[in-house]
Amino acid sequence: SYVLTQPPSVSVAPGQTARITCGGNNIGSKSVHWYQQKPGQAPVLVVYDDSDRPSGIPERFSGSNSGNTATLTISRVEAGDEADYYCQVWDSSYVFGTGTKVTVL
Amino acid sequence: EVQLVESGGGLVQPGGSLRLSCAASGFTFSSYWMHWVRQAPGKGLVWVSRINNDGSSTSYADSVKGRFTISRDNAKNTLYLQMNSLRAEDTAVYYCARDATVTKYYFDYWGQGTLVTVSS
Repeated sequence: SYVLTQPPSVSVAPGQTARITCGGNNIGSKSVHWYQQKPGQAPVLVVYDDSDRPSGIPERFSGSNSGNTATLTISRVEAGDEADYYCQVWDSSYVFGTGTKVTVL
Repeated sequence: EVQLVESGGGLVQPGGSLRLSCAASGFTFSSYWMHWVRQAPGKGLVWVSRINNDGSSTSYADSVKGRFTISRDNAKNTLYLQMNSLRAEDTAVYYCARDATVTKYYFDYWGQGTLVTVSS
């Protein structure tokens, strides 16, 4: 089965840029979607199809995907961005990444 | 506004059964595929099951195949998950989620979840 690997944690100071990676075999050939999950809350879609944002998601959230790595970038990080982030792809089934906890210092 | 509200979770003994419901509103329920996704305590997201818009096609994760049954009632705008032969490893928060579009394979709206605990 297809495996998506994310770093367990990323720490970033307010106002700086956070980059969350999602590694998978030839993931660049797939569409990657990203979800934000704050403690005790349901996941929220923040990026779909590698780099598109749903309405209501700030432009500070952006995505890219190439080769074996997809990346979610959060620019000008705010305290409210502290959450778990999951990547997801379709590979004959719906596959989620291992998740990354973003801590705002 | 799209709303998905799950219910039916609770404490059940190993080997027992439970039926979860997800009440949908704010969109044309009968036009969308729907899913169940679960999250064990402190763990990540895991897809469980999917049903197409008219209920004629379903799919399941291997871990629940033969034990869980997804269904829907489009007249009542409600999604269901019948869970039988429950195991300790089925303990999780169960989310219903809307499929964004049939060809894109991602989830654009999620409910708040309902906790299922399997324990004696």
